[in-house]
Amino acid sequence: KAGVTQTPRYLIKTRGQQVTLSCSPISGHRSVSWYQQTPGQGLQFLFEYFSETQRNKGNFPGRFSGRQFSNSRSEMNVSTLELGDSALYLCASSLDSLYSPLHFGNGTRLTVT
Amino acid sequence: AQSVSQHNHHVILSEAASLELGCNYSYGGTVNLFWYVQYPGQHLQLLLKYFSGDPLVKGIKGFEAEFIKSKFSFNLRKPSVQWSDTAEYFCAVNKDSGGGADGLTFGKGTHLIIQP
Repeated sequence: KAGVTQTPRYLIKTRGQQVTLSCSPISGHRSVSWYQQTPGQGLQFLFEYFSETQRNKGNFPGRFSGRQFSNSRSEMNVSTLELGDSALYLCASSLDSLYSPLHFGNGTRLTVT
Repeated sequence: AQSVSQHNHHVILSEAASLELGCNYSYGGTVNLFWYVQYPGQHLQLLLKYFSGDPLVKGIKGFEAEFIKSKFSFNLRKPSVQWSDTAEYFCAVNKDSGGGADGLTFGKGTHLIIQP
C-alpha cells in the first residue's frame, strides 16, 4: 500500500507570496490532518479534514487554509508568507483521526526568505 | 488548552541499558495517548497507543508505556535498548469528547542516541 505522499518536498518562497502544498493520503483514508513542525514550537496542529469538511482547526491565523477533494487528496495554502512560516509541513492521513493512528508523509520543507 | 511535556530533550544510553522517557499531559478529561517515533531519514510512525482498558500497553519493537491517570503521565519504557532505537520520540495526546476528532497535541520530542 502506498504511503502518504506530499509534494513538493522543498519550496523556497519570498515574504508576501503565497504557497500551496499538496497531500495524497493512503488509499481508503478519509481523514487528512496538517501539522507544522519547527525547532522552537515542535509539532503543531493546523487543521483536519474529513470527507471534504474541515472538522477541526488549530491555533493558526487565517492566512493558513486548506481544503479536501472528493478523492480525499488535500491541499494547504498559506497566503502573505512571513519569515516565521518557514517550517516542515507534515500531512497525516487516517481512517478516522480520533481512534485511528495517523500515517505521516515525509513533509514539505518550506523556506521563506 | 491541553499541553504535553516531555522531560528529557536529549538522552544518551549504551546498548542494553533500560529506557524510560517521561511524558505528562495537562487535561482533566478523557484522553487518547500516543507515542510516535521518527527514525533518521524516515517519517513519523506510531509506536503505541492507549485509548482505554489495560493501562499498560505494548507497542512495536519491544516498547511499552504505562498510563497513570492520577499522575497524568504516559511514560515510555524499554528494558534493553538497541543501537537501532536511535530516533526522535514524541508523546501525543488528543481529547476524547465523544463528539468528534481533535487534533493531536505533541510534546517537543526526545532525541534518543544509543551508543554501541
